[in-house]
Amino acid sequence: EIGLTQSPATLSLSPGDRATLSCRVSQSIDTYLAWYQQKPGQAPRLLIYDTSNRAPGIPARFSGSGSGTDFALTISSLEPEDFAFYYCQQRSPITFGQGTRLEIK
Amino acid sequence: EVQLVESGGGLVQPGGSLRLSCAASGFTFSDHWMAWVRQTPVKGLEWVAAINKDGGDKHHVDSLKGRFTISRDNAKNSLYLQMNNLRAEDTAVYYCANQRYNYFDYWGQGTQVTVSS
Repeated sequence: EIGLTQSPATLSLSPGDRATLSCRVSQSIDTYLAWYQQKPGQAPRLLIYDTSNRAPGIPARFSGSGSGTDFALTISSLEPEDFAFYYCQQRSPITFGQGTRLEIK
Repeated sequence: EVQLVESGGGLVQPGGSLRLSCAASGFTFSDHWMAWVRQTPVKGLEWVAAINKDGGDKHHVDSLKGRFTISRDNAKNSLYLQMNNLRAEDTAVYYCANQRYNYFDYWGQGTQVTVSS
């Protein structure tokens, strides 16, 4: 079974900072990876699909990169509304990482 | 505006059954694969099942096969999840979602299922 490991578990940053979240996959998945944002009490929201494609309506400060087994989500300059949980997801089989909590420092 | 509204969750005893529903609007329901995804504090997000556009092709996570069944009614723009022989570990928030290329574009607000005596 392919596993997804996200790091760090918690990331403490300030508004305006650059955030880089990591997702490592136990075997190569080409570029078939997505990222979701989830705020407390809300459903996840698709941010990025196929590693680097932003979903409709997602601000340009969100970007994705990587291939094979190592992927990253970068938020170029944090806005107050970006502090949330972030999950990566592979396409086949469909599995999710355990999440990174992005909190205000 | 795309809307997915789940219902049918609640408290059920171990061994009991529940049927979740998801009412879709704001898009052509019959043109989309649909799925159920659940979330627990311990296991996180877990894909449960998916169904193709006309309901003829269904996929369920191996660990739930035989207990959970996904279905849809395109005439009613509705998605369903029949859950039988429920266990404590099925306690979760269950989300209905639009599945496209095995990613999830749109999600409902979720419905809580609690399995407890």
